[in-house]
Amino acid sequence: SQQGEEDPQALSIQEGENATMNCSYKTSINNLQWYRQNSGRGLVHLILIRSNEREKHSGRLRVTLDTSKKSSSLLITASRAADTASYFCATAAGNTPLVFGKGTRLSVIA
Amino acid sequence: GAVVSQHPSWVICKSGTSVKIECRSLDFQATTMFWYRQFPKQSLMLMATSNEGSKATYEQGVEKDKFLINHASLTLSTLTVTSAHPEDSSFYICSARGDTGNNQETQYFGPGTRLLVL
Repeated sequence: SQQGEEDPQALSIQEGENATMNCSYKTSINNLQWYRQNSGRGLVHLILIRSNEREKHSGRLRVTLDTSKKSSSLLITASRAADTASYFCATAAGNTPLVFGKGTRLSVIA
Repeated sequence: GAVVSQHPSWVICKSGTSVKIECRSLDFQATTMFWYRQFPKQSLMLMATSNEGSKATYEQGVEKDKFLINHASLTLSTLTVTSAHPEDSSFYICSARGDTGNNQETQYFGPGTRLLVL
């Protein structure tokens, strides 16, 4: 069953602007992961944040996790046209398989 | 890093035929493999989980007789779509988890197989 809910469902911004995507989930987790998927392609793993972490950075990516609100955000700074893709959060709990959110479709206009 | 491959990357078949998709972990032993399905503009939905040597566990609403999963070895799982129909057209993605030497909880994803049933 689907656990994560991302918002917005679609986001369109100009190149150079920051893009923020949010993810909410319902149950306790071990970690939360963000993936990118270009149209018609496979998943690219972006970043993993553990339940005892609050913030993590990787290049232009910044992820936050608030376990009390069961939510996470992905910030992409100084966006580029190449960042155009769908972004999914996925949660992991114990040995259960990753459960994916509905995703945010990001369009970065040059 | 751990690599998961899928074959074929895309397949077109006639309605009523069966299609087999292979998922291989290339440089680690996958004790658990997962099969997901993704319809256009939607998210990944888990279809089933398989552990090597055991029967697969299917998610609610997924027909086990239609989607046959075999996980006969620690590096290979297959998904067979039997008597495929146009509504089975989708993007099928496998994922593997196992002892990669780094983190046993990480799932590694294959590149996906696009199935089009005419």
